[in-house]
Amino acid sequence: GAVVSQHPSRVICKSGTSVKIECRSLDFQATTMFWYRQFPKKSLMLMATSNEGSKATYEQGVEKDKFLINHASLTLSTLTVTSAHPEDSSFYICSAREPIQETQYFGPGTRLLVL
Amino acid sequence: QKEVEQDPGPLSVPEGAIVSLNCTYSNSAFQYFMWYRQYSRKGPELLMYTYSSGNKEDGRFTAQVDKSSKYISLFIRDSQPSDSATYLCACEETSGSRLTFGEGTQLTVNP
Repeated sequence: GAVVSQHPSRVICKSGTSVKIECRSLDFQATTMFWYRQFPKKSLMLMATSNEGSKATYEQGVEKDKFLINHASLTLSTLTVTSAHPEDSSFYICSAREPIQETQYFGPGTRLLVL
Repeated sequence: QKEVEQDPGPLSVPEGAIVSLNCTYSNSAFQYFMWYRQYSRKGPELLMYTYSSGNKEDGRFTAQVDKSSKYISLFIRDSQPSDSATYLCACEETSGSRLTFGEGTQLTVNP
């Protein structure tokens, strides 16, 4: 199947700092990528849809100035958590839409801990 | 009411058992149905992808969709300890659109 990578896999930061998470589709080009957040023992919550070359579409209740998304190329989308606070601690997962079957393939996730 | 309902379990079975995982949905516009497997602290892995009603088989896994009753199932034959994971069903209206996930069912297969 298609491969999606995320970096870093884990990050610990101090409150108030910004953290950037990268999502890459390794063997296909993805015009659309998605960013999810997952709390322990909970399902995935869609945060935003990222389209290459245009602004991301955010889900209701997700602050676009807090969670900055950039999709500058067909293989890379980034999520920046700005001025992170402890309540932003979570598991962030991206997915990329494979263009032929149009199915979503997920990255391995990034565990963020804000102290 | 959630658009996709899934019993979170946990579900515990002995090795070799047949496992049945199920979801129901309320949105009649859903046409594409997926099952993902997620190991602890990992991203979801696509297991099965089906369109409309019918069955699809891949090795020990069989996915069933009954659109008339808005019911989707995943069967795992000859279950193995390595199948222990959380299984998430997901639905979408059109191919490539946003996914709506169930809560996930935590499965443990005991050796």
